[in-house]
Formats: sequence, structure tokens, C-alpha cells
Amino acid sequence: QKEVEQNSGPLSVPEGAIASLNCTYSDRGSQSFFWYRQYSGKSPELIMFIYSNGDKEDGRFTAQLNKASQYVSLLIRDSQPSDSATYLCAVNAKGNNDMRFGAGTRLTVKP
Amino acid sequence: NAGVTQTPKFQVLKTGQSMTLQCAQDMNHNSMYWYRQDPGMGLRLIYYSASEGTTDKGEVPNGYNVSRLNKREFSLRLESAAPSQTSVYFCASSADRGKETQYFGPGTRLLVL
Repeated sequence: QKEVEQNSGPLSVPEGAIASLNCTYSDRGSQSFFWYRQYSGKSPELIMFIYSNGDKEDGRFTAQLNKASQYVSLLIRDSQPSDSATYLCAVNAKGNNDMRFGAGTRLTVKP
Repeated sequence: NAGVTQTPKFQVLKTGQSMTLQCAQDMNHNSMYWYRQDPGMGLRLIYYSASEGTTDKGEVPNGYNVSRLNKREFSLRLESAAPSQTSVYFCASSADRGKETQYFGPGTRLLVL
């Protein structure tokens, strides 16, 4: 079992819709959770991080964390074609520098 | 403020050759990281350095060595390149360990023939 799992997609949504990206992790001791966006041929860039159970909102993005279910998700409201990218879930498994990434979900937003 | 820089951008090696990938950050970050990214595999941590003078193995360290030259610079060396090391290599840095956001360099595309 991989430590961080994501549906590889592709996930396709129409412009203006809500895109829902999901991630599960295996280490119950994980403390920090991150969502990165990566455009094709570019480096990852941080969208959001979340440390506590519940929801965290930042503009059109909402991260949701459920530690009991070992599940973290990212919702993108009012999706735009510019949101088309691969979204990487990352988990800090040991509370130190050892970050583990999922393989990413490719999102396409169609105009 | 350039953030995280990497050189070279692209490199072709023959099996058995050696090379060093260079990384530097100008954000005064304590922690630095080397990842590789392969199709369908996501980012995998090769080595990291929590602070100047320390280095630790990550998920896939075999075949690599690292040097934290000073607070700014963190290099990755392939002593004897193998085709399995064909990948895109990213360097990253963060202010501190654990909870901190990591900032990534532009990447180095390495092809080993």
C-alpha cells in the first residue's frame, strides 16, 4: 500500500463547476498536509496546507481534513481553465522533513 | 530574489558517468531537499538536509550522495549514472522542518543512456 494515494484521473469538469480532489494516507501519525499544483513541465507550487481536522478555505480553494478516516481533500469552486494542472497531495509523515507525495491527480477544466 | 535555482536545466549522460546537480536558495531557509519525479510515481524524496551540516536519507537514496555546502547550497551527486536514474530532479527548501511550506526549483531533466 502506498503511503499517499490519489486517483490519477484525469478528472474533467466544466468551467464554473466544483472540482473535488481526494487523497488518503496510511500513517496515522501524520501531522501536516499540503496541496501543490503542478503545471505541465513546471515545478510544484503550494496551494494550501492544513494541520487540523475540518475545513480551511482560501479564496476558491477549500481543504478538508479528516484524520480519523485518514483522508484529505481539495475543493476548487468556480473552476477555471487556468486550474487545469496536476494536483499533488503531500503528507508529512513523521513530523520532520520526510514529506511523502501522492502521484497526483490530473485536472482538466473545459471551457 | 530568485528563490530556488538549479543547474543544469537539462543533461544527457552515458551509463557509468558521474555528475553533480547544483541547487541554491536565497530565502535563508534552514532545510533543503532533493526529489525525483517519474511518470505515475509522484515526487519521491532522495535526501534532505534539516540544517547546515546535516543530511539524511529519504525514500530513495541509493545511487546518490549529497553535500550541504553551506546554508544556501545543497548538491546532489550521481557517482555512476544508470538508466534507472533518468528522471526530473527537483530541489526544494523550507524555512524549517515539518510543517513549513516547501519551495521548489525549476527542475533538472536528466537522461541516462
